[in-house]
Amino acid sequence: GQQLNQSPQSMFIQEGEDVSMNCTSSSIFNTWLWYKQEPGEGPVLLIALYKAGELTSNGRLTAQFGITRKDSFLNISASIPSDVGIYFCAGAGAGSYQLTFGKGTKLSVIP
Amino acid sequence: GAVVSQHPSRVICKSGTSVKIECRSLDFQATTMFWYRQFPKQSLMLMATSNEGSKATYEQGVEKDKFLINHASLTLSTLTVTSAHPEDSSFYICSASPIDLQLSTDTQYFGPGTRLTVL
Repeated sequence: GQQLNQSPQSMFIQEGEDVSMNCTSSSIFNTWLWYKQEPGEGPVLLIALYKAGELTSNGRLTAQFGITRKDSFLNISASIPSDVGIYFCAGAGAGSYQLTFGKGTKLSVIP
Repeated sequence: GAVVSQHPSRVICKSGTSVKIECRSLDFQATTMFWYRQFPKQSLMLMATSNEGSKATYEQGVEKDKFLINHASLTLSTLTVTSAHPEDSSFYICSASPIDLQLSTDTQYFGPGTRLTVL
């Protein structure tokens, strides 16, 4: 089946620093999604990507759909304490509504 | 837009009882809803895919007789954990894919989750 490798697994950064995380897939995806999950809550959609090469921003967040369609990255600029949480990438293949999830990147921001 | 609710948010029950969890898309219609299970510090594990008006499709290893899914309308899906046991304790999350193309049918919007504890 499809596998997603998400890295890094966890990050500790100083407030104000930029953050970058990425996901790579063993197969091609038609959709890449980035979610943030806080403790005891469901994942919240941050950015959705639907075309290879697409670069999309949402405030301080920027994500790109890799040209090969097998990877995506998420950048967070000028991190703040409320950025703390677990970030998941997810992808969907052609003709499929099902998502394959990465294992998550746990972000900790030191004030 | 694209808000999904779940009820209850937390439930504690005795072993052997059944628990029903509701998932509603509040401001959009969804032909497809998904049910996930998440263990502490782990990613989401898909349990089943639910389509309105038809039987749910269960992932390998998920007992369909134990986890009953009903998708009665375009805005409501329910998951019933029958004869719950302590090992069923987990965080259950639903998601919904919109019919409306402007919201993208490829995108899943998640509910806030239900914490089930079976004593």
